[in-house]
Amino acid sequence: NAGVTQTPKFQVLKTGQSMTLQCAQDMNHNSMYWYRQDPGMGLRLIYYSASEGTTDKGEVPNGYNVSRLNKREFSLRLESAAPSQTSVYFCASRGLAGGPWGNEQFFGPGTRLTVL
Amino acid sequence: EDKVVQSPLSLVVHEGDTVTLNCSYEVTNFRSLLWYKQEKKAPTFLFMLTSSGIEKKSGRLSSILDKKELFSILNITATQTGDSAVYLCAVTTDKLIFGTGTRLQVFP
Repeated sequence: NAGVTQTPKFQVLKTGQSMTLQCAQDMNHNSMYWYRQDPGMGLRLIYYSASEGTTDKGEVPNGYNVSRLNKREFSLRLESAAPSQTSVYFCASRGLAGGPWGNEQFFGPGTRLTVL
Repeated sequence: EDKVVQSPLSLVVHEGDTVTLNCSYEVTNFRSLLWYKQEKKAPTFLFMLTSSGIEKKSGRLSSILDKKELFSILNITATQTGDSAVYLCAVTTDKLIFGTGTRLQVFP
């Protein structure tokens, strides 16, 4: 049982390049989330998926797209990376019933992305 | 606008000291308040609080929520160097809103 896994761990991009961050969970959780964490800004929600087949915007969705490929996997795509997207990205999942929010979330180890 | 504010931003103490971390919030449709500890990587869950006045305790850590005054505190007694981390507070509404965290450094 690996919990929440993310790939890659580190990535350096040039401005304008695209890439996809992968996230998978093996806990049979319904809800999955993507956050970015910047110094002094805390964790900010980019997108979330309350269940397989649904995705919704969070606090800072601009410049990102997501895909809930199946119940296990939730990917985050940067179509044209910008230096402002330099950040640490965390994926999380939650399995409790009663809606996508509240209670414990399990976090992946993070992806450190630098955009030059 | 919903917001979660943590204080202090940073704290430096010696081993054995007791610390109190604060989290205040202004949100609509409050559901619960969560505390996380973040060391080098992902946050790890500490407590979830939903009711006022009921202390949650785990070893040297404890936390309590005041829904009237809209804040929570996280206490750590007899601190150890392993307690050094960023402590995050998050409030759930129809979203999950994180504070910026309190960076705790415990020196021997």
